[in-house]
Amino acid sequence: EADIYQTPRYLVIGTGKKITLECSQTMGHDKMYWYQQDPGMELHLIHYSYGVNSTEKGDLSSESTVSRIRTEHFPLTLESARPSHTSQYLCASSPPGPADTQYFGPGTRLTVL
Amino acid sequence: DQQVKQNSPSLSVQEGRISILNCDYTNSMFDYFLWYKKYPAEGPTFLISISSIKDKNEDGRFTVFLNKSAKHLSLHIVPSQPGDSAVYFCAASGGQGGSEKLVFGKGTKLTVNP
Repeated sequence: EADIYQTPRYLVIGTGKKITLECSQTMGHDKMYWYQQDPGMELHLIHYSYGVNSTEKGDLSSESTVSRIRTEHFPLTLESARPSHTSQYLCASSPPGPADTQYFGPGTRLTVL
Repeated sequence: DQQVKQNSPSLSVQEGRISILNCDYTNSMFDYFLWYKKYPAEGPTFLISISSIKDKNEDGRFTVFLNKSAKHLSLHIVPSQPGDSAVYFCAASGGQGGSEKLVFGKGTKLTVNP
């Protein structure tokens, strides 16, 4: 099982601020993912990466951006936060193989006022 | 259109009894299915998975059944314990999305009463 770390766990900020949500994993997994989840709803994939310098947008359109400069690090950035960005953001990674079991971090609960 | 559906938003059972959580899918190309458990303000925890070449997989108190012809899977928890109270998500991969992407249902909130 992967050790996935996300910081901060909770963040309350004002509209227009730039924020970066951190995600790190210690298992050397090439594949990493960002999901967004609202209460009572499914997890929506917003970004994924299959390795260093590889990033793709997910199924749900998002104004956030990601980078993958190191295998273990997959940060997500919002240049100008808005109340509509209020949500829980979940980072995951998965080991090599054809069938995915993704392991999740604890999540970041973001509130934009 | 939702490809993975969990039609019961909530389920309540007594401690020691069986919990059965259901999940339906529409994409016949899905070939790998997973169940996750999620507590509030935490990330999902992987519980159990099943490949489409099997119809049952068991791990301790948790058993997943897959009925490919009905495009239906279920998670059985026996016996249920109060610590099992959480939201359970069904997920699937395969098809156009490829084997790397998971499609999630909306979850079922399980409450196990002492």
